Amino acid sequence: NAGVMQNPRHLVRRRGQEARLRCSPMKGHSHVYWYRQLPEEGLKFMVYLQKENIIDESGMPKERFSAEFPKEGPSILRIQQVVRGDSAAYFCASSPQRAMSTDTQYFGPGTRLTVL
Amino acid sequence: GENVEQHPSTLSVQEGDSAVIKCTYSDSASNYFPWYKQELGKGPQLIIDIRSNVGEKKDQRIAVTLNKTAKHFSLHITETQPEDSAVYFCAATFPYNQGGKLIFGQGTELSVKP
Repeated sequence: NAGVMQNPRHLVRRRGQEARLRCSPMKGHSHVYWYRQLPEEGLKFMVYLQKENIIDESGMPKERFSAEFPKEGPSILRIQQVVRGDSAAYFCASSPQRAMSTDTQYFGPGTRLTVL
Repeated sequence: GENVEQHPSTLSVQEGDSAVIKCTYSDSASNYFPWYKQELGKGPQLIIDIRSNVGEKKDQRIAVTLNKTAKHFSLHITETQPEDSAVYFCAATFPYNQGGKLIFGQGTELSVKP
């Protein structure tokens, strides 16, 4: 039973380029959360998605960041025109279909983005 | 607002001793409190969680206690081992949020010295 999968594990981009981070939830999970961890800091919520719907994007920066979770395929976090401040570890978590506020979230290994 | 405070930020114990990490949360309506362990270069791993209808939960050397009146919950690790060394995060969900996003504490770096 595979866990949450994220790729790539490491991503290097130059300023101004685009970064695409992918997340495949655990089998049977249809709810995905994205969190960001800046160096030496805790985890901050970014966005919560169900299949084909964004439910809560209250933690997403207003510009350059977008997320999707299509009917088929992984969830994608997209960062356009990256800046050095975007350098961080980005984690995806998934939860079962019930998606009650007390559902357990299981985290993937993360994508570590470095912006040169 | 939504806030979780975690203390201490660093904790060093001798192997075999106990470790306690404490968190407080801002909203009495919070109803779910997980604890995650994060090793260097890895994702957070759930180690134990507690829901607001119970006051204590135990799993081998790990226990969590919840005081709803004080809006406070704690992680207790007994008989610590070097492999317990990691960063530990507490978190809480706030039921008025759709789907239960996690609000994390700042983390505690636990070091267990052999």
